Amino acid sequence: SQTIHQWPATLVQPVGSPLSLECTVEGTSNPNLYWYRQAAGRGLQLLFYSVGIGQISSEVPQNLSASRPQDRQFILSSKKLLLSDSGFYLCAWSGSPDSLDFGSGTQLSVL
Amino acid sequence: SQQGEEDPQALSIQEGENATMNCSYKTSINNLQWYRQNSGRGLVHLILIRSNEREKHSGRLRVTLDTSKKSSSLLITASRAADTASYFCATAQRSNDYKLSFGAGTTVTVRA
Repeated sequence: SQTIHQWPATLVQPVGSPLSLECTVEGTSNPNLYWYRQAAGRGLQLLFYSVGIGQISSEVPQNLSASRPQDRQFILSSKKLLLSDSGFYLCAWSGSPDSLDFGSGTQLSVL
Repeated sequence: SQQGEEDPQALSIQEGENATMNCSYKTSINNLQWYRQNSGRGLVHLILIRSNEREKHSGRLRVTLDTSKKSSSLLITASRAADTASYFCATAQRSNDYKLSFGAGTTVTVRA
């Protein structure tokens, strides 16, 4: 069966520091991969999605970037974090248009 | 951008009662999905209804879709304390559209 791993679960970073969040999927090949951000008490905002290695689509211009160095690995990065980057980050994968499977999320606090 | 808008934003009910929440969307869709999120966790897919369907059931869940009104409802019957969570609707606009647009969610609290 397929499994999605996302880490770390929580992260506290100072403003201006770099960021790297990693997501990996097991048990499937060539998944569609997604990064969503959820502000406190709000819905999900799609940040990036990828349909293959090296293929990244950005939905919202921002301080973040994404990379997919391997088929089942999706990384969210920033060179310099802003206060507004705080939030709950969720990685997801999809093998079909019918549903997304989400990781357990990373709570990022930028101080 | 957010496509769906859930209503109400929050709902508190007694165990055993039914919980109903609504979702409205703006553009035509291929399907609409409902997800549940326990506090501080990822989302879990509950049920999908396609644009040519009007009602769907899964266990204690009942989903309706009215494409003329661009709205959907999720009914949880005989609620349990474990149903306490936030519920989100998400829409896919095209048949091969892998990108879902999520609403802001309804927070449901089931009191024992």
